[in-house]
Amino acid sequence: GEDVEQSLFLSVREGDSSVINCTYTDSSSTYLYWYKQEPGAGLQLLTYIFSNMDMKQDQRLTVLLNKKDKHLSLRIADTQTGDSAIYFCAENGDYKLSFGAGTTVTVRA
Amino acid sequence: ETGVTQTPRHLVMGMTNKKSLKCEQHLGHNAMYWYKQSAKKPLELMFVYSLEERVENNSVPSRFSPECPNSSHLFLHLHTLQPEDSALYLCASSQVEGSHYGYTFGSGTRLTVV
Repeated sequence: GEDVEQSLFLSVREGDSSVINCTYTDSSSTYLYWYKQEPGAGLQLLTYIFSNMDMKQDQRLTVLLNKKDKHLSLRIADTQTGDSAIYFCAENGDYKLSFGAGTTVTVRA
Repeated sequence: ETGVTQTPRHLVMGMTNKKSLKCEQHLGHNAMYWYKQSAKKPLELMFVYSLEERVENNSVPSRFSPECPNSSHLFLHLHTLQPEDSALYLCASSQVEGSHYGYTFGSGTRLTVV
């Protein structure tokens, strides 16, 4: 089955690192995704990782995948006020993605 | 225009009204999706169209009726909705060949049923 779980809220100080965690259930997922949703907007693809990788780095973003534990995390280095948004984890199945409920990240000065 | 465009951005309708949501993609994708986004809940997949054929309907009430006349357009026809149907309705498209098919989302239609 497909079930993606995330914590709902994260508060972080500007300049610190943010870590958003996600667990998923479908061990056959070949790709896992992180999406960002800003207020009044749709979801925007941030990054994705192939299931045979442990880590992917893209500028301030680091994705870690523990396939054994079905755990995915997104680390944002030097968090800025523009990073305040809802972040969604997703796993792929047959022709569709399954999403978590989203983690609302609030960046405080 | 590029990307995925949804209209209208906001819609307020009474429970006896009939309205339609429209989605258009200019990316040459071959699959389109309707999702419902309610606060603090996972995105709920409602309908999937692949190559203009409906391939999934996740037990969505019949008061929601999708239509996909071609690979670039997707509609969601609404009638006799309930207040609990108030939500953000998101359209997405993707290219399903290959194993990576990250979606491109529209900005959504914020629906309020009164």
